[in-house]
Amino acid sequence: DAGVTQSPTHLIKTRGQQVTLRCSPKSGHDTVSWYQQALGQGPQFIFQYYEEEERQRGNFPDRFSGHQFPNYSSELNVNALLLGDSALYLCASSPTPGQEKYEQYFGPGTRLTVT
Amino acid sequence: ELKVEQNPLFLSMQEGKNYTIYCNYSTTSDRLYWYRQDPGKSLESLFVLLSNGAVKQEGRLMASLDTKARLSTLHITAAVHDLSATYFCAVDPGYNNNDMRFGAGTRLTVKP
Repeated sequence: DAGVTQSPTHLIKTRGQQVTLRCSPKSGHDTVSWYQQALGQGPQFIFQYYEEEERQRGNFPDRFSGHQFPNYSSELNVNALLLGDSALYLCASSPTPGQEKYEQYFGPGTRLTVT
Repeated sequence: ELKVEQNPLFLSMQEGKNYTIYCNYSTTSDRLYWYRQDPGKSLESLFVLLSNGAVKQEGRLMASLDTKARLSTLHITAAVHDLSATYFCAVDPGYNNNDMRFGAGTRLTVKP
């Protein structure tokens, strides 16, 4: 049973460029959340997708956008990259919200470096 | 705004010693998570605490939750080097794993 997978593992981009990160949830999970973890800090919630819609959004600018596909996989897009976007981006999957299921599993992350 | 505070942020301890990490949060929630993170790695789920008075133990780690005090603790018993990592607590105020708020983390170093 594959857990949460993310691609790519590492990425180097230049300021102003755009980037797309990908996530496949754990089998049986249909909800995907994205987090940004800057070096030395705790993860910060970006947004959550369920039924191909953004359900909740954290305090991130519109440069951060996402998408969920019918197979529950998800993408995180960041436009007009800034140096401050350099971080580990974590994807987490969980079962359908509201079913009183509390498990959430994190993927290995994508390390984004903006130069 | 929900705030989650951990202390200490850095902890250096000798093998065999006991210590407690504290996690305070600022809003009502009955759902609290503890995670472990090794350098350059993702988050590994340790405990999920779902009600007031919940206590869970796994090996040398024991976590508890007091929702009235808005406090969770992670107790380390007879520390070993393999426990060296960063430990995060996180609160899920919406009960839907969305907008989870993490503490800043406690970086634990266990010295032989």
